[in-house]
Amino acid sequence: QLQLQESGPGLVKPSETLSLTCTVSGGSISSSSYYWGWIRQPPGKGLEWIGSIYYSGSTYYNPSLKSRVTISVDTSKNQFSLKLSSVTAADTAVYYCARHTIAAAAFDYWGQGTLVTVSS
Amino acid sequence: QSALTQPASVSGSPGQSITISCTGTSSDVGSYNLVSWYQQHPGKAPKLMIYEVSKRPSGVSNRFSGSKSGNTASLTISGLQAEDEADYYCCSYAGTRWVFGGGTKLTVL
Repeated sequence: QLQLQESGPGLVKPSETLSLTCTVSGGSISSSSYYWGWIRQPPGKGLEWIGSIYYSGSTYYNPSLKSRVTISVDTSKNQFSLKLSSVTAADTAVYYCARHTIAAAAFDYWGQGTLVTVSS
Repeated sequence: QSALTQPASVSGSPGQSITISCTGTSSDVGSYNLVSWYQQHPGKAPKLMIYEVSKRPSGVSNRFSGSKSGNTASLTISGLQAEDEADYYCCSYAGTRWVFGGGTKLTVL
């Protein structure tokens, strides 16, 4: 059974960089059939796609966040990571990592999510 | 980019059917048969319920069905059960990006 687990600091100061890692177990991140993505959800609000990466390193980013987002992959560790720079309180959210199929473009496996609070 | 438009809330009694709409544009919902729907219970991660407009993943009840007409996709839940009470989100591929709806809270009366 595929599992995804987010990890990283739960508190980040304004103007600093948020860094999260998603560890994939029970399957290979190097599968040619999937992208690996990050989605966030501010408290009490809806879901927002942040960006996605293929095992080769090819990336797609949300245009509204593109200038601040970097997603990378480490196939040797079966992990992919998110960096979001210059954070503000508006970036406070539960951050999810997820797998999505290339063919169906659907997010079929999700991590449990991790709350990141931006505050001084 | 703008989120897809969903009603904020819908409600129904046990056994009834409800439909949640998801309106996008010709750049997302209208251009691709790649609409998916997610169920989210409080404090939990979203769960994929429908993909490619109308397909159900293994293990999802056949009470859940999806459709699309033009720029609007729909999720129908028949035979409502108490456990269906949750938030529901649509999502569409939009050519190198994905866009979610604002979410709909389903209340089972």
